[in-house]
Amino acid sequence: EAQVTQNPRYLITVTGKKLTVTCSQNMNHEYMSWYRQDPGLGLRQIYYSMNVEVTDKGDVPEGYKVSRKEKRNFPLILESPSPNQTSLYFCASSLEPGLAGDRQYFGPGTRLTVT
Amino acid sequence: GQNIDQPTEMTATEGAIVQINCTYQTSGFNGLFWYQQHAGEAPTFLSYNVLDGLEEKGRFSSFLSRSKGYSYLLLKELQMKDSASYLCALVNQAGTALIFGKGTTLSVSS
Repeated sequence: EAQVTQNPRYLITVTGKKLTVTCSQNMNHEYMSWYRQDPGLGLRQIYYSMNVEVTDKGDVPEGYKVSRKEKRNFPLILESPSPNQTSLYFCASSLEPGLAGDRQYFGPGTRLTVT
Repeated sequence: GQNIDQPTEMTATEGAIVQINCTYQTSGFNGLFWYQQHAGEAPTFLSYNVLDGLEEKGRFSSFLSRSKGYSYLLLKELQMKDSASYLCALVNQAGTALIFGKGTTLSVSS
């Protein structure tokens, strides 16, 4: 089944404890992206990757890191999480950004709480 | 920059038709998407417009007018399962990002 998977789905952690949220897609998509979703603010892009070893900042990159060593994986790293990073996180992928109608497929989401 | 506006909430009854509007201000974009998102779940694709006009897909249709900076999603024969948030999103000119509106929460009652 074509899908985007994320792990963990739920995480409660403490301020300053490094964590990684994994994202994997099995559709051979070039493009991957991370979003966070907060009440009243909607979905905002954190980082994106156009291809292996190519990553760039989105609208809200502060406090996050990413890597794209393999085409299928795009982990999100929080080196020192803070309470303002409590949010619902979505990973997404698409075949070829810029191609007309290239839709993004979203993972199931990771609900992160930082205390 | 880009600014996208949608109504925050709408209500409707089963079997009715509802139109969810999306207005935007942008220097340019490569297409407009509508996504559906049930509470706590992932957004799922509904429709895409790149040219002006109407795109129809079963009970759902989407319209775009670039000159007016306006799109709408039309949902016909509403069902209870259509209760969800509906997200309008523009593709930026570089094709590197979807810029989302804050979404419209639709509640369908019997």
